[in-house]
Amino acid sequence: NAGVTQTPKFQVLKTGQSMTLQCAQDMNHNSMYWYRQDPGMGLRLIYYSASEGTTDKGEVPNGYNVSRLNKREFSLRLESAAPSQTSVYFCASRGSGTSSYNEQFFGPGTRLTVL
Amino acid sequence: RKEVEQDPGPFNVPEGATVAFNCTYSNSASQSFFWYRQDCRKEPKLLMSVYSSGNEDGRFTAQLNRASQYISLLIRDSKLSDSATYLCVVNDRTYKYIFGTGTRLKVLA
Repeated sequence: NAGVTQTPKFQVLKTGQSMTLQCAQDMNHNSMYWYRQDPGMGLRLIYYSASEGTTDKGEVPNGYNVSRLNKREFSLRLESAAPSQTSVYFCASRGSGTSSYNEQFFGPGTRLTVL
Repeated sequence: RKEVEQDPGPFNVPEGATVAFNCTYSNSASQSFFWYRQDCRKEPKLLMSVYSSGNEDGRFTAQLNRASQYISLLIRDSKLSDSATYLCVVNDRTYKYIFGTGTRLKVLA
């Protein structure tokens, strides 16, 4: 049981290049999220997916697209990377129970630098 | 005003000390509250959920004050391994989890 996995762990891009960050979870969770974390700021939501086949914008969606490929996988794509997208990206999933205390589980993160 | 506010610290405390952090939230509709721990360059991990009646897990005690809209985390008998950043997280039972910027704790030998 690996939990939430992300690839790659590190990436350096040049301005204008594109790339896809991969995320997968093996906990049978319905909800998945993509966040970015910048120094001095809390985690900010980029996109989320409440269930397979649905995606919605979060707080900072500009410059990103997502795909919920199936229940396990949720990818984040940067079509034309910009230096402002230099950040640490975390994928998370949330339990599907009826409890209001469904915690989020996070992947190990992708450290992206855009030159 | 930020939706979730925390003192960034750092809180520098000696081993064995008791330390407390507060976190204030602005949305009165918030229903679920959490403390996460984040080590340097690692992902956040759940430390504990915060229930209305307060809850304790070993050396850690969490309290919720709905009237004043804050939650607290108390760490007793601090260990070197407690050094980390502690994130306050608030949820209103929708998809939306709001994260504080974190409070940094350094436990000194």
